[in-house]
Amino acid sequence: GENVEQHPSTLSVQEGDSAVIKCTYSDSASNYFPWYKQELGKRPQLIIDIRSNVGEKKDQRIAVTLNKTAKHFSLHITETQPEDSAVYFCAASKGAGGSYIPTFGRGTSLIVHP
Amino acid sequence: KAGVTQTPRYLIKTRGQQVTLSCSPISGHRSVSWYQQTPGQGLQFLFEYFSETQRNKGNFPGRFSGRQFSNSRSEMNVSTLELGDSALYLCASSLSAGDGNTIYFGEGSWLTVV
Repeated sequence: GENVEQHPSTLSVQEGDSAVIKCTYSDSASNYFPWYKQELGKRPQLIIDIRSNVGEKKDQRIAVTLNKTAKHFSLHITETQPEDSAVYFCAASKGAGGSYIPTFGRGTSLIVHP
Repeated sequence: KAGVTQTPRYLIKTRGQQVTLSCSPISGHRSVSWYQQTPGQGLQFLFEYFSETQRNKGNFPGRFSGRQFSNSRSEMNVSTLELGDSALYLCASSLSAGDGNTIYFGEGSWLTVV
């Protein structure tokens, strides 16, 4: 089955710095890669996703890149703010029709110091 | 559109008891999946239901079970509770049709076993 590795497990940055979280996946058939943000005591919420036919996607301060050949994808947050502090999960799934289940990474705790 | 709704939000049970958690998916979503979240273990997949049938199952003992009703609402049951079952139980729903099966999480049910 699919295996998703996520690094680092903890990331501490100063406000205004950039943060990068990296994930690798094992199943070359995976074609959908969402990222979730989970604030303390709250539900994981989708913040951005990318499909395998796209190499990069941006949404304001957040971007995700995908390298299908190397089977890795990354989340980039620029100009970090204290409210970006949360646990971030990457996931990989096949997505296309029928049964699917996203496989999640173990999460990265991002701490943004004011 | 209302999000995924889970009840109860918080509960405390004694070892050996059983518990039933409920989940109402987003209107129109036919797939409901359940996850257990504990510190350091990330999001562990329990099972997924689609059209009242269990379509996928994670690696949990038989004490964990679930079902889905014709209106797509789902319940999960844990029998003979153990201390290690203390966790946040998250329900997620998706359309499960076509590409990019984004899953949307509920707020979760916090279970404490004493």
